[in-house]
Amino acid sequence: DTGVSQNPRHKITKRGQNVTFRCDPISEHNRLYWYRQTLGQGPEFLTYFQNEAQLEKSRLLSDRFSAERPKGSFSTLEIQRTEQGDSAMYLCASSFSGKEQYFGPGTRLTVT
Amino acid sequence: QQQVKQSPQSLIVQKGGISIINCAYENTAFDYFPWYQQFPGKGPALLIAIRPDVSEKKEGRFTISFNKSAKQFSLHIMDSQPGDSATYFCAAQGNTGTASKLTFGTGTRLQVTL
Repeated sequence: DTGVSQNPRHKITKRGQNVTFRCDPISEHNRLYWYRQTLGQGPEFLTYFQNEAQLEKSRLLSDRFSAERPKGSFSTLEIQRTEQGDSAMYLCASSFSGKEQYFGPGTRLTVT
Repeated sequence: QQQVKQSPQSLIVQKGGISIINCAYENTAFDYFPWYQQFPGKGPALLIAIRPDVSEKKEGRFTISFNKSAKQFSLHIMDSQPGDSATYFCAAQGNTGTASKLTFGTGTRLQVTL
């Protein structure tokens, strides 16, 4: 299967801890996106990369959030000092042309 | 600010019936309108998409109708099957450099009954 992969699939952490998620996009897709989805809502945009450059960040991405895409391949999303409000599904998507974004299975974060 | 409004919130359709989900947008800079299907615990899967230069696009049992002047678009699922039971999201995307993100509607939970 050559789709978008995300790890871990589930993460339970205590409030105040740091967590890091990984996304591996479809090969040769130059754009990579992070979204957050809470229960009963549509995904909300967080940030996106074209190759290794982070081109846009949402206001939702507070200073506790940081994303990287070294070498323009996989990407990591780190949340520092997690809060209960960070509990959500974190989705990664990739695309080649900017259209047709393909999503991974997501990482479900629960902050206790 | 909700830029893409989706209705209904939930929909129950009998097997073999037609499911219709509607979306409306505000931003005239949007130029790409995909629909996604999401099963519980899974990521959204791209179903079908349309650009505003056409009024209709059909792929199998799925059809998008697009009304540019009204800034509305809809998904029709013909001959709905129990396996179609999922949450459907409409989305919109712009065409300028930093408008690459998708803006999603709030979703429609579809249940297809036997």
